[in-house]
Amino acid sequence: QQQVKQSPQSLIVQKGGISIINCAYENTAFDYFPWYQQFPGKGPALLIAIRPDVSEKKEGRFTISFNKSAKQFSLHIMDSQPGDSATYFCAPERRGSTLGRLYFGRGTQLTVWP
Amino acid sequence: GAVVSQHPSRVICKSGTSVKIECRSLDFQATTMFWYRQFPKKSLMLMATSNEGSKATYEQGVEKDKFLINHASLTLSTLTVTSAHPEDSSFYICSASLGLGAGAKYNEQFFGPGTRLTVL
Repeated sequence: QQQVKQSPQSLIVQKGGISIINCAYENTAFDYFPWYQQFPGKGPALLIAIRPDVSEKKEGRFTISFNKSAKQFSLHIMDSQPGDSATYFCAPERRGSTLGRLYFGRGTQLTVWP
Repeated sequence: GAVVSQHPSRVICKSGTSVKIECRSLDFQATTMFWYRQFPKKSLMLMATSNEGSKATYEQGVEKDKFLINHASLTLSTLTVTSAHPEDSSFYICSASLGLGAGAKYNEQFFGPGTRLTVL
């Protein structure tokens, strides 16, 4: 898991604000860059993902920005809501792997204050 | 679609006993299933990868004799924690993958809700 570095470890944002979480990776073989959302006591769920042939993907209030040369990708949550309070993980996947292994970052605990 | 269930959701057992956790893909056939362990406020740690009908591949440092994994069918994998001790107390999560053959180019994983194991 040293291949993936996620920051910040925790984030507190006011309702309506923008939450930004970053992920840096080392392995250039990664070719799928997802973000997972996990609520307490639950399993993680895929939130949004991007492939390396695009630099940005937006789904509703959630946007991934991808910088291939810097080996970084980030999650932006616009108009953050208290219901967004959860732990977020980046978990890039390696190219050509038939096993589909995800390499999880350490996680970011997001708290959105009402 | 793509729902993964786990049973039980919570289990409390005495030290020295064995506990079996089931992971089922409810509406798809999973070529590969993964087992993770998660400590409070920590990331998911991959324990092992299993393919239907073959032996599981364990990550370095994971005792295969302690954490027995059986992937008996394309919809069921089980994790048995043998001779459990308090240090085995954790949140265990499984995930299931459709695999490349199902048109899911990137082997998307679908996660179960997790099983909270407490060993007294």
